[in-house]
Amino acid sequence: EVQLVESGGNLVQPGGSLRLSCAASGFTFSNFAMSWVRQAPGKGLEWVSTIGGRGTITHYADSVKGRFAISRDNSKNTLSLQMNSLRAEDTALYYCAKEEYYYDSSGFSKNYFDYWGQGTPVTVSS
Amino acid sequence: DIQMTQSPSSLSASVGDSVTITCRASQSISSFLNWYQQKPGKAPKLLIYVVSNLRSGVPSRFSGSGSGTDFTLTISNLHPEDFATYYCQQSYSHPRTFGQGTKVEIK
Repeated sequence: EVQLVESGGNLVQPGGSLRLSCAASGFTFSNFAMSWVRQAPGKGLEWVSTIGGRGTITHYADSVKGRFAISRDNSKNTLSLQMNSLRAEDTALYYCAKEEYYYDSSGFSKNYFDYWGQGTPVTVSS
Repeated sequence: DIQMTQSPSSLSASVGDSVTITCRASQSISSFLNWYQQKPGKAPKLLIYVVSNLRSGVPSRFSGSGSGTDFTLTISNLHPEDFATYYCQQSYSHPRTFGQGTKVEIK
């Protein structure tokens, strides 16, 4: 059974830092890209960042580029998100999500988030 | 960035009704379109991937269609457990983007 368990969320002051973790189990972690998706209170879903299975390819939303860093430790089946220079607008529930691949008849890979953790809350406030 | 626009933002329906949610992309995304369901206080769950493929275990009353820029999620014969918020999401390019969500409420 696939399980994703986030941790590390907390109350932090503006300008502060926080490191989120996601412990994965139930699948071959290194074979899959992983992502962080956040949800501000009462708002919709916002993709934050994705890292490839080997950890060499990363993507970021413009809103966090230069402030957040995604990483993974495939030996420990752990995904991380280092969050620096935090702002009030970063306040949200942060989900980690596993990406799955669907290969169409042309061989193109089409991705989707097939498993999500329960989320860890981050509050940025003085 | 590709903008995803869902309509309506919310709708009220009764058990047994059929409802359709529309998702429009700001540019063609071929069939790189997925749907998620989220209930209050819970994490999102994958419903449909690549336009029309139901995730294992998802009831057949859910269906998806479309291509290019226009997509729909249809729920036939609404069950009580279907009242939730639904999000579309494109995986054509980064940044991945979600629609703003459609809340399906009980009439």
